[in-house]
Amino acid sequence: DVKVTQSSRYLVKRTGEKVFLECVQDMDHENMFWYRQDPGLGLRLIYFSYDVKMKEKGDIPEGYSVSREKKERFSLILESASTNQTSMYLCASSLSQDSWYSPLHFGNGTRLTVT
Amino acid sequence: ELKVEQNPLFLSMQEGKNYTIYCNYSTTSDRLYWYRQDPGKSLESLFVLLSNGAVKQEGRLMASLDTKARLSTLHITAAVHDLSATYFCAVAFFGNEKLTFGTGTRLTIIP
Repeated sequence: DVKVTQSSRYLVKRTGEKVFLECVQDMDHENMFWYRQDPGLGLRLIYFSYDVKMKEKGDIPEGYSVSREKKERFSLILESASTNQTSMYLCASSLSQDSWYSPLHFGNGTRLTVT
Repeated sequence: ELKVEQNPLFLSMQEGKNYTIYCNYSTTSDRLYWYRQDPGKSLESLFVLLSNGAVKQEGRLMASLDTKARLSTLHITAAVHDLSATYFCAVAFFGNEKLTFGTGTRLTIIP
């Protein structure tokens, strides 16, 4: 089974702090994604990556950046956390662009609270 | 604008009953997914539907896709408590690798 591991289950940060959310997958997947999940809004894509050192903006990239230095690891960075970034953050991976129909495999999520 | 709409948003039903969750999307798609999320847990893939008329079944859940109507349904047969969860559909649109998710349907099965 694919395992997608997010480093923290819960995080509490202060406004203005720089926040790192880490995600690691163990199945050699090429594609990795960061979503945020908010009540009534479903999941919204922040950033995604099809390969090492490659990134593309999703639907709501403002206030976020990402880093993918190794294939198995995809980091989400909040440069200066704000209270409207309080949310559940979900990391996901999928096989490759060649296997375009393969489903996403999700991590357990990081619930971030910014005070 | 790409939109994926699910209804109902909340569904409370008795054990043993049948019901359907609907997923409408706004433009041409080449694949549709259904996911399940238990409270406090991550999303689990249920079905991948790739073509018009596709039907997939797993236990008491059956998903279908009508690409002409831009509609997918998730049908629950003889519901049991274990099916209580939030169900999401997600659509990939032609020319776009990203998945767009619906807002989810929170299903509660009452004994």
